[in-house]
Amino acid sequence: KNQVEQSPQSLIILEGKNCTLQCNYTVSPFSNLRWYKQDTGRGPVSLTIMTFSENTKSNGRYTATLDADTKQSSLHITASQLSDSASYICVVRKALNFGKGTSLLVTP
Amino acid sequence: EPEVTQTPSHQVTQMGQEVILRCVPISNHLYFYWYRQILGQKVEFLVSFYNNEISEKSEIFDDQFSVERPDGSNFTLKIRSTKLEDSAMYFCASTSGEVEQFFGPGTRLTVL
Repeated sequence: KNQVEQSPQSLIILEGKNCTLQCNYTVSPFSNLRWYKQDTGRGPVSLTIMTFSENTKSNGRYTATLDADTKQSSLHITASQLSDSASYICVVRKALNFGKGTSLLVTP
Repeated sequence: EPEVTQTPSHQVTQMGQEVILRCVPISNHLYFYWYRQILGQKVEFLVSFYNNEISEKSEIFDDQFSVERPDGSNFTLKIRSTKLEDSAMYFCASTSGEVEQFFGPGTRLTVL
């Protein structure tokens, strides 16, 4: 049973718009939560890493939140660009549980 | 900027054959990982390696798989007798011990 659930499965937005991707997990024990961006046919690239005590972390136009009580995380993308089109993967440590990812398509 | 490299980018093999996938981690990193991603599916953890031994492995990493660090730079994944279901992208990753992992571009393995 997958212990990391991401939603939506896919998303299409217009360039310049904001979007929020969700990650719910049941992984225990918890060590950290990471968001990765994976372009088609490429390896994942780290966007943010959050530990138990962190609620919010930003990396440019990407802002991740973590609620360790409800075991939920979100990734907010501001002012989307065409190059943001990719799969966004949530990974929860320990035991490196990967979500299936959200496929984001940004259209002009 | 240092990066993880993998060779070959694409490997085609016959079922039952042995394959070796190669990775060169970032030079000062100490922890190494192999993942696989079957087409259209999520990334799956295979194995982690530290101090010349396996530190963690998943259920996928059975006796058909082995890893080695034959010298100071390469990190290899061997599949002894490939099966059709081994067809996937295989990613190598490394880290210095900080939390962030750096992934290579992947090797696409096709088993016929």
